Amino acid sequence: GQSLEQPSEVTAVEGAIVQINCTYQTSGFYGLSWYQQHDGGAPTFLSYNALDGLEETGRFSSFLSRSDSYGYLLLQELQMKDSASYFCAVDSGYALNFGKGTSLLVTP
Amino acid sequence: GAVVSQHPSRVICKSGTSVKIECRSLDFQATTMFWYRQFPKQSLMLMATSNEGSKATYEQGVEKDKFLINHASLTLSTLTVTSAHPEDSSFYICSAREEAQPQHFGDGTRLSIL
Repeated sequence: GQSLEQPSEVTAVEGAIVQINCTYQTSGFYGLSWYQQHDGGAPTFLSYNALDGLEETGRFSSFLSRSDSYGYLLLQELQMKDSASYFCAVDSGYALNFGKGTSLLVTP
Repeated sequence: GAVVSQHPSRVICKSGTSVKIECRSLDFQATTMFWYRQFPKQSLMLMATSNEGSKATYEQGVEKDKFLINHASLTLSTLTVTSAHPEDSSFYICSAREEAQPQHFGDGTRLSIL
């Protein structure tokens, strides 16, 4: 089977840097995705890591270590609008298996 | 970028009604489309996977006779919730992907059964 672990809640101040970790156990692995979801909205694709290393897209970066079954999402220069839920998801080559999500609250 | 359109965005109807939700990929051919359900404060749970021209593959515990999925073309998949009841009230989200590309999600359909 598959399981993913990520923190349920994170709080950080505006302008700060926050890292959301994700560890996974899976029988098939093609890559790790990250999605952002605001209350009442649908998930928005943020990043996808198929290989080890860091992928940077603007203020957001995502890291993957396949040998450690571990990844993280790094959010820099936090803004109030970044308050949302963030989901890591394992791509098994068939479908996405989502973690339970991390609720990020950015405070002034 | 890739765009997935989902319609309607919100449905409120009486118990016993059947509801159809459409999912379209607007600028790419989706080899696979997925249907998820999300209850409040919970994660997305995969309901079924559909490939164009073939029967959908349902996840364990999802009633295929209740949640009818049709994937008639490479750009359109539909989910019909038959004889919906209050416990079917949820946020239904479709996603689509091209071969070897990340999934992109529709805006979701909030279904409320009275």
